[in-house]
Amino acid sequence: DAKTTQPNSMESNEEEPVHLPCNHSTISGTDYIHWYRQLPSQGPEYVIHGLTSNVNNRMASLAIAEDRKSSTLILHRATLRDAAVYYCILAKYGNKLVFGAGTILRVKS
Amino acid sequence: GAVVSQHPSWVICKSGTSVKIECRSLDFQATTMFWYRQFPKQSLMLMATSNEGSKATYEQGVEKDKFLINHASLTLSTLTVTSAHPEDSSFYICSARDMGRGNYGYTFGSGTRLTVV
Repeated sequence: DAKTTQPNSMESNEEEPVHLPCNHSTISGTDYIHWYRQLPSQGPEYVIHGLTSNVNNRMASLAIAEDRKSSTLILHRATLRDAAVYYCILAKYGNKLVFGAGTILRVKS
Repeated sequence: GAVVSQHPSWVICKSGTSVKIECRSLDFQATTMFWYRQFPKQSLMLMATSNEGSKATYEQGVEKDKFLINHASLTLSTLTVTSAHPEDSSFYICSARDMGRGNYGYTFGSGTRLTVV
């Protein structure tokens, strides 16, 4: 599976939108873009995933570039509970997820 | 939504003993489950893919005789750390995907903190 590149850390103010970038220049046509987040001492939590079109759910939005070489996870209003490590992962349908280093998101009150 | 239960949530064992960790899919059937380990301040490392009714597939560098995986039913996979040593102390996490609900991604257990003394 292709690799992803994310910033090591980001900081946001509470109740403001957060845009978490992910680069995946070697993505293949059958790679899904997955986002998970992990709070300390917990298992990862599914956030969102998509293939080509932008996706929205109750947690977040996923904006996928037209060439699919990058994507952005959008948290519309960050709360303190959104502080976590966010992982952007590429995987083919049904395949294993291989985690990279992720982005540590800090939310300031 | 899909729920994966992992047990125990933490365990302390003596060096040289074996420890079994259970991973159950509570409201769906999982033909495939995945086992990860995570050291402090590091990312998750995939250890193996557990396949119902067949042998697990281990990632490169993971000792299959040390980390025994059994996936005897569609809702249960177990990871046994045999002859545990302090360097096996880690956070172990399982995950599964409900293939019947394609929009919900993979569900992870809450993890098991293993401490070997």
